Amino acid sequence: AQKITQTQPGMFVQEKEAVTLDCTYDTSDQSYGLFWYKQPSSGEMIFLIYQGSYDEQNATEGRYSLNFQKARKSANLVISASQLGDSAMYFCAMSPIGTGTASKLTFGTGTRLQVTL
Amino acid sequence: DSGVTQTPKHLITATGQRVTLRCSPRSGDLSVYWYQQSLDQGLQFLIQYYNGEERAKGNILERFSAQQFPDLHSELNLSSLELGDSALYFCASSGRSEVNSPLHFGNGTRLTVT
Repeated sequence: AQKITQTQPGMFVQEKEAVTLDCTYDTSDQSYGLFWYKQPSSGEMIFLIYQGSYDEQNATEGRYSLNFQKARKSANLVISASQLGDSAMYFCAMSPIGTGTASKLTFGTGTRLQVTL
Repeated sequence: DSGVTQTPKHLITATGQRVTLRCSPRSGDLSVYWYQQSLDQGLQFLIQYYNGEERAKGNILERFSAQQFPDLHSELNLSSLELGDSALYFCASSGRSEVNSPLHFGNGTRLTVT
């Protein structure tokens, strides 16, 4: 079984500052993928970034980077130079990797980020 | 735009009724997933189809059923609706079932049961 824990229900950050959203996970799978999704108030789920458990380098996508620490089972999302449009709910998720495994995602409870002026 | 299309956007219905939610995956994607997002349960995986066949089942009630058609679109049928079924229902698609690839979500169907 897989479990994702996001301990920060809400976060505030000032515009142009960087912010880290925490995510820890638990799994018995040897290979797995970690994902971050953004859900604005309009409701859609937007894929942000992916990290494979076998990747040695941390993933980056524009202003998003994933701080992956495998031994600590953490996959924190770092948003640099925050913008007002970053205000949203952020979900960490994971899925197993491997032939025959359904790649369904298990989600955390989310962190609501509010970017202020 | 994720390329995943869900209809309708909003649905309001009464308890005991039956509704059908529709999803068209991204062009070329063979896998379709259904998720339910409610305030108390968060995002819950319901069911996955891959190229027309059921691949995985999650916390899907017996009153709910789904199918994926030859053109790869999918429908989620919810029957004998209860107040607690009110939620945002997402469809997502991905390219391959066995290889890890990001799920791309539609904009959701917001179901309100009164």
